[in-house]
Amino acid sequence: DAKTTQPTSMDCAEGRAANLPCNHSTISGNEYVYWYRQIHSQGPQYIIHGLKNNETNEMASLIITEDRKSSTLILPHATLRDTAVYYCIVRGHNDMRFGAGTRLTVKP
Amino acid sequence: DAGVIQSPRHEVTEMGQEVTLRCKPISGHDYLFWYRQTMMRGLELLIYFNNNVPIDDSGMPEDRFSAKMPNASFSTLKIQPSEPRDSAVYFCASSRNSRGAGGYTFGSGTRLTVV
Repeated sequence: DAKTTQPTSMDCAEGRAANLPCNHSTISGNEYVYWYRQIHSQGPQYIIHGLKNNETNEMASLIITEDRKSSTLILPHATLRDTAVYYCIVRGHNDMRFGAGTRLTVKP
Repeated sequence: DAGVIQSPRHEVTEMGQEVTLRCKPISGHDYLFWYRQTMMRGLELLIYFNNNVPIDDSGMPEDRFSAKMPNASFSTLKIQPSEPRDSAVYFCASSRNSRGAGGYTFGSGTRLTVV
């Protein structure tokens, strides 16, 4: 599976949009981009995934660049409960391997 | 849907003892994954099954670790003998087939402490 690069940590003000970047420059054509988050002590939680097109669901939006070498997860109105570690994963096979992720802290 | 169910939630055991962790996947999910999480190494994939058959166990750290899936609704991860360095949170996850079908659902984890 392609490797991903994410910033170690980010802060966001409550109520503002949180934009979490991910680089995956070695992604191949059949690999999906997945995002998960892990709130302290809980199991990782699936957020969203996409292949080429931008995606939106009730939790977030996923913007994938045209060359697919990077993506951005957008939490449109961050709340304190969105404080978590966010993982960007490129999935080419049926198993997924997690990197270090981005620790997002939402501040009042 | 009760989600992925893991037991026990917490386990404290003495070095050298056998430890068995249990997982019940979501009904209808044909993939099951075991992960281990520590501060030093993050989330590591240990092994995964498809239709009860182990597909990749390259992440299993040593022969002391073994995993089984006797049927579609139950899996175990066993450590024998346990060592202090096995202390970690162990997660089980399940999913439907294919990489585009959606995400994994994780259980709440088992926090293992070996003293």
